[in-house]
Amino acid sequence: GAVVSQHPSRVICKSGTSVKIECRSLDFQATTMFWYRQFPKKSLMLMATSNEGSKATYEQGVEKDKFLINHASLTLSTLTVTSAHPEDSSFYICSAREGTYTEAFFGQGTRLTVV
Amino acid sequence: AQKVTQAQTEISVVEKEDVTLDCVYETRDTTYYLFWYKQPPSGELVFLIRRNSFDEQNEISGRYSWNFQKSTSSFNFTITASQVVDSAVYFCALTGGSQGNLIFGKGTKLSVKP
Repeated sequence: GAVVSQHPSRVICKSGTSVKIECRSLDFQATTMFWYRQFPKKSLMLMATSNEGSKATYEQGVEKDKFLINHASLTLSTLTVTSAHPEDSSFYICSAREGTYTEAFFGQGTRLTVV
Repeated sequence: AQKVTQAQTEISVVEKEDVTLDCVYETRDTTYYLFWYKQPPSGELVFLIRRNSFDEQNEISGRYSWNFQKSTSSFNFTITASQVVDSAVYFCALTGGSQGNLIFGKGTKLSVKP
């Protein structure tokens, strides 16, 4: 299947700093990318939907200014966690799809720990 | 509203046993897709299957099989002769929303003991 690469896989940062997570589709053009968050032993919750060249659509309760999403090209979307706090510690996963209702491919996930 | 229910939070079996993971969904869409993903302890999500709403044929892939029944809105997953490597959290998901994002169930943690 297609490959979605997410980087970094693990990151530890200090409170108050910002962290950028990259999601790349390696062998297809992703018109839409999704960012999910997974708390320990919980399911994946959609944070935002990102379309290339336009502003991301955030789910209710997700702070736009805290979780900045940029989808600058058809192969790259980034999630920046700004002014991180310990409660932002979580597992973040991106997924990408080429078209509507096609298979969604997931990145490896990023485990963020804010200390 | 769309919803996916995986009623089994945790299942523990002994190697070589068969095990079925249940998935019940709700949607008002006439066209939708259902998925199963495996999440091993390492965290990544591994795609297992995608099924569209018009295809009710059961599918078998090696030791894995899926039973899709539209009448009961269920998409159950059976592992035959389970192995220790099958230990993981399994998520059932449904396409939802205008953008086609996935709506996940809460997952079923499967532990296969030797």
